Amino acid sequence: GAVVSQHPSRVICKSGTSVKIECRSLDFQATTMFWYRQFPKQSLMLMATSNEGSKATYEQGVEKDKFLINHASLTLSTLTVTSAHPEDSSFYICSARTTNTGELFFGEGSRLTVL
Amino acid sequence: TQLLEQSPQFLSIQEGENLTVYCNSSSVFSSLQWYRQEPGEGPVLLVTVVTGGEVKKLKRLTFQFGDARKDSSLHITAAQPGDTGLYLCAGFGSQGNLIFGKGTKLSVKP
Repeated sequence: GAVVSQHPSRVICKSGTSVKIECRSLDFQATTMFWYRQFPKQSLMLMATSNEGSKATYEQGVEKDKFLINHASLTLSTLTVTSAHPEDSSFYICSARTTNTGELFFGEGSRLTVL
Repeated sequence: TQLLEQSPQFLSIQEGENLTVYCNSSSVFSSLQWYRQEPGEGPVLLVTVVTGGEVKKLKRLTFQFGDARKDSSLHITAAQPGDTGLYLCAGFGSQGNLIFGKGTKLSVKP
C-alpha cells in the first residue's frame, strides 16, 4: 500500500527553539496533506490542511505564525513549530490524500518533547 | 459542526469475550472509517463503510453503518490480546478533512 513517511519520529528540543517535521508521500502524489496533533489518551485533532502551492488552512484556535506549514511539492509537506514551549509537546501526525484516487494514508507520527 | 461520539471510551475485557464499540453523530456522513492505532504510531485504516445499512467483516471484526449514515458500530468476536489498541472512527467533513471520534481504548487481558 501507499506509504507516508514522517521525520523525525522523535525529537527533543529546548524551549524557545524551532523544530521542523517532514511528511513525505513516498510512492504517490498528494495535492493535499493534513496535520493532526494528538495529546496523550486523546484523539487526533486537525490542526491544518496543507495544499500544494498555496497557503495552508488552519483550524480555529491554531496559531498559523507558530505552526508554519509549507507544501512546496506534491510529495512533501513540512510543519515547523516555532519558539517551541513545553505545552507544544505532543504527537504530531500527518496524512496525505492521493491526487488520483483521493485515498488517505497516515504517517507514523512524530513525538515532540519540549524541555 | 460535525462531531463523532464514540462509546465506550475505555474497555477492559478478558480474552474470548465479545465487545461492541459505537460511533454516533447527529450529522450524516457520506462514509465512515474505522482505524486502529498502536501507541507511538499513526492510525491504520481497518475499513470504510459507504452505504447505509452496510455490514463489512474483517476476520473477527464486524463493522456496520447505520441506515441513516449517522452511526456505525464495530463488533469484535472472541477478542484476543492482539486486539488491544485505540480504535477510532472517522468521517469526512465538508472540507474534505477527516473528523475523528475521541477513540475507544481497548485492553484485552489473557
